[in-house]
Amino acid sequence: AIQMTQSPSSLSASLGDRVTMTCRASHGIRDDLGWYQHKPGKAPKLLIYSASTLQSGVPSRFSGSGSGTNFTLTISSLQAEDFATYFCLQDNTYPYTFGQGTKLEIK
Amino acid sequence: EVQLAESGGGLVQPGGSLRLSCAASGFTFRSSWMHWVRQAPGKGLVWLSRISVDGDRTRYADSVKGRFTVSRDNAKNTLYLQMNSLKAEDTAVYYCAREMVTDTLFDYWGQGTLVTVSA
Repeated sequence: AIQMTQSPSSLSASLGDRVTMTCRASHGIRDDLGWYQHKPGKAPKLLIYSASTLQSGVPSRFSGSGSGTNFTLTISSLQAEDFATYFCLQDNTYPYTFGQGTKLEIK
Repeated sequence: EVQLAESGGGLVQPGGSLRLSCAASGFTFRSSWMHWVRQAPGKGLVWLSRISVDGDRTRYADSVKGRFTVSRDNAKNTLYLQMNSLKAEDTAVYYCAREMVTDTLFDYWGQGTLVTVSA
């Protein structure tokens, strides 16, 4: 199975900060990667698909980049509603696999 | 509005069985490939299973192959996961998710249902 290594596991930041988190795949997955936001007790929300395509309705402060094995999610200016856990998902090869998540907390 | 609502979770003894349901609304369920994913307490997400639009093609993670069966009833807009021979390590929140039309990623998820396997 393709292993997805996500870092950091947690991140403290302030409102207005720019934050970046990464996922690294153990094998090349082209751009077959998505980023999700997950809040406790809620359904995960798709932010980015195909590594860099913003899902409809998602604010433009979210952006994704990368291809092959290295991927990045950037939030350009943190808003209060952005504090959550973020995870990546590769859909290149079965079994689909997930990053372990990055918990974004208020500093 | 697309909605997915899991149900059927609860406490079950090791070796027991449980059937989860995922009620879909707000979209054409019969046109969507569907998946199950789970998250054990304090652990990461794990993909479990996928089913095609008409239910004739299924796929499973090795950890559940032979024990879990995914199915669907398009007339009832409902996805199922039959779980047999449950083990303590199957304790998790179980999510259903819809595969995108234009990609094989998931665009909508349910909120999950908790399954606890314990004596």
